Amino acid sequence: NAGVTQTPKFRILKIGQSMTLQCTQDMNHNYMYWYRQDPGMGLKLIYYSVGAGITDKGEVPNGYNVSRSTTEDFPLRLELAAPSQTSVYFCASSSGDRAGNQPQHFGDGTRLSIL
Amino acid sequence: ELKVEQNPLFLSMQEGKNYTIYCNYSTTSDRLYWYRQDPGKSLESLFVLLSNGAVKQEGRLMASLDTKARLSTLHITAAVHDLSATYFCAVLPSGTYKYIFGTGTRLKVLA
Repeated sequence: NAGVTQTPKFRILKIGQSMTLQCTQDMNHNYMYWYRQDPGMGLKLIYYSVGAGITDKGEVPNGYNVSRSTTEDFPLRLELAAPSQTSVYFCASSSGDRAGNQPQHFGDGTRLSIL
Repeated sequence: ELKVEQNPLFLSMQEGKNYTIYCNYSTTSDRLYWYRQDPGKSLESLFVLLSNGAVKQEGRLMASLDTKARLSTLHITAAVHDLSATYFCAVLPSGTYKYIFGTGTRLKVLA
């Protein structure tokens, strides 16, 4: 069972560069999420999606963009990387006929450093 | 501002002892979640609490939810070293899809 797969696992970017963090799930889940976790802190929601073609902002969306063209994939795009975006990024998915009935399944995370 | 507060933030306890972690939240919600995170790892779901008065138990861990008090507890019974980890609670405010996580409780169980 692959579950939620994130790539890459580690990445170092220079200030001003752009990149896309990939997230794929093979559980046919409708709901997908992107979080960032700063050292010693909880997770903060960046963007979420309730289904293919539908995305919305979370708590900390500035500097990021997402798309959801298929049920399986939910890439996160960083434009003009800044040191404040240094963090660990987690993608998650969940099922259920109503959001929140089931737990979120998390990927292994992408550790991103902006120098 | 919506807040989810956990206490304590750090907990060092001896094996065999009991303790409770508290999760308070400031918004209307009947959906609360507990997750475990080992150092450098991802999050693992422990409990999903979906109504007032919900109680769930798994091994040495038991979670409960009081939606009127906006409080959830995670009770640890006879702690063992393997329970050492960071525990997060998360809330899904009513009418939204935006989960809010607490800052976590770092638990260390000493042999």
